[in-house]
Amino acid sequence: DIVLTQSPGTLSLSPGERATLSCRASQPVHSNFLAWYQQKPGQSPRLLIYDASRRATGIPDRFSGSGSGADFTLTISRLEPEDFAVYYCQQYATSVTFGGGTKVEIK
Amino acid sequence: QVQLVQSGAELKTPGSSVKVSCKASGGTFSTYAINWVRQAPGQRLEWMGGIIPKFGAANYEPHFQGRVTITADESTTTAYMEVTSLRPDDTGVYYCARGGRGAVAAKFDYWGQGTLVTVSS
Repeated sequence: DIVLTQSPGTLSLSPGERATLSCRASQPVHSNFLAWYQQKPGQSPRLLIYDASRRATGIPDRFSGSGSGADFTLTISRLEPEDFAVYYCQQYATSVTFGGGTKVEIK
Repeated sequence: QVQLVQSGAELKTPGSSVKVSCKASGGTFSTYAINWVRQAPGQRLEWMGGIIPKFGAANYEPHFQGRVTITADESTTTAYMEVTSLRPDDTGVYYCARGGRGAVAAKFDYWGQGTLVTVSS
């Protein structure tokens, strides 16, 4: 299985700041089949980014994904109050695995 | 608009079984995969397996193979996930999620609301 390691575990930032989240795979993710999800307490995950850099329908353009091979990044250009949540990466190139998550909290 | 509506919370004793349903509406049921994802309290998301209703055979994550059965009924556009021989560490929220067209391993673009399963004596 491909193991996904997310860092940092927690990111403490203020509204308006830029957030950079990392997802590293134990082996290359072919075709960049990597997605990012946002999950708020008590809610289901929501798809943000797929195929490493494509925004899902209705996702604001402050969210962007980049990377290839085994290193991927989710960037939130300017944090809005509703962006404080846990973010997960997922690879779907070889079966399906999720990363451990990054919590973005208010500083 | 695709919607996935899951059955309600369950309280089970160790050694028993649970079957969770996921009713789909608003899209093409037969050719899109339905996947199941578990989230233990405070833990990461774990993919359990998935099924493409038209084809019938499910794929399972090895950790869950043998104790989990995923099925789908095209006539009612409902998918099911059953776990047998429940243990306390099976406690968590179980989600269904729509995968790709003709592919279990894909991005999950629509999710059910989750079903809390509590296993306790």
